[in-house]
Order: sequence, then C-alpha cells, then structure tokens
Amino acid sequence: TQLLEQSPQFLSIQEGENLTVYCNSSSVFSSLQWYRQEPGEGPVLLVTVVTGGEVKKLKRLTFQFGDARKDSSLHITAAQPGDTGLYLCAGYNDMRFGAGTRLTVKP
Amino acid sequence: DVKVTQSSRYLVKRTGEKVFLECVQDMDHENMFWYRQDPGLGLRLIYFSYDVKMKEKGDIPEGYSVSREKKERFSLILESASTNQTSMYLCASSQKFGTSILETQYFGPGTRLLVL
Repeated sequence: TQLLEQSPQFLSIQEGENLTVYCNSSSVFSSLQWYRQEPGEGPVLLVTVVTGGEVKKLKRLTFQFGDARKDSSLHITAAQPGDTGLYLCAGYNDMRFGAGTRLTVKP
Repeated sequence: DVKVTQSSRYLVKRTGEKVFLECVQDMDHENMFWYRQDPGLGLRLIYFSYDVKMKEKGDIPEGYSVSREKKERFSLILESASTNQTSMYLCASSQKFGTSILETQYFGPGTRLLVL
C-alpha cells in the first residue's frame, strides 16, 4: 500500500492570501489525483497529473507533479471563501487517499 | 452528469443491529467502492467491486460485507453494528481501470452513521 502524507493537516487563511498544500510519498506514482470535498458532500475530482514535472492550472489553482513522481503540490492564488473544503490526494494504483488538508478561507 | 446516490444521508442504529447502506450509480460504471471517512484518517477503503458479483477487500473489511447483484447497485452491510463503526460512509464509482492512469471516481454525498 502506498502511503500518502498530506500537509498541513489544517490551514486557515484570510481571503486574498496565497497558499500551498502538499502530498508526499516514498513511492513512485504513475498518476495522482486531487479532489476537493465541501462540507456535507462527497469529494469531487479537480485534476489528474500523469507526467513527472507536469504543471496543470485550473483558474486560480496550480497543480504540480514532482519530477520523481513521488510528490505533488496544490497552490491557490488569491484564495476565496468558496475554496474552503477538504483537499485530498489519491495515488495510482491502489485507490488510496491521503488524510487531506482542511482549508478554511475567511472573508 | 454522473450521479451516485446513497440511500440515507443520516442513520442512527443500535449496537448489534444489522445495517444496510445502499449505493446506486447511473453511468454504467464497472467499478464501485465503499469508503469510510474519519477525522484525521481520511478515506479508508472498505471494499470495492470491479464487476457484478465480484468483490475485493480493501484496507479495513473487518465487520463489513458487500453485495453487488446488479451493475448499478453496491450495498455495504454491517452484520452487527458496533460503536466504532460510527463514521461517514462514502460510495464511489468509476469506469473500468486503465493501465496506469487513475480513473475518476464519482462520489455520493455520504451517509453519516451513528451507532449507539
């Protein structure tokens, strides 16, 4: 089983700030996903990264897959209250998820 | 849009009761999953199924069983509920596994189960 460690566990920031959260493992992944889960709902896929060093952008969210494909980061620019939620990473090939980063963006 | 529905949003049961959690997906997905979600532990895989009548144990199958008689429906059964099974239960579905790229999992809204 590939262990995914996410950091920080909790993050509380003011609207307009930038932030980065991390997903790390000692194992190499062929692909990795980021999901966001809002309160009272199931997780929803944000992005899948496949190639080492890959960078994907989704509006204010920037996802990076490490060159060695053992880690990934999610950077949010100018965070908004609507970004509040639990951010989860999941790695191929055993459908395991990290524990998540719980982000709160205060108005 | 893919829709995954779960039979209940909230459920309260007593210790020792048999509990059924139902999950239905409407996109003809081959794969279905049951997770439980607890604070600080993230999503932990209980069971998954890649075809009708097929099931595979996940990380924490003890105390649970599953049933997949039809492609669209995957049931999680707590044979004798215990207080340590109080949790949020999430069902998900995805298309058939690819070779090296994660398939998107579509999640239901979850069932929050309280066992007294």
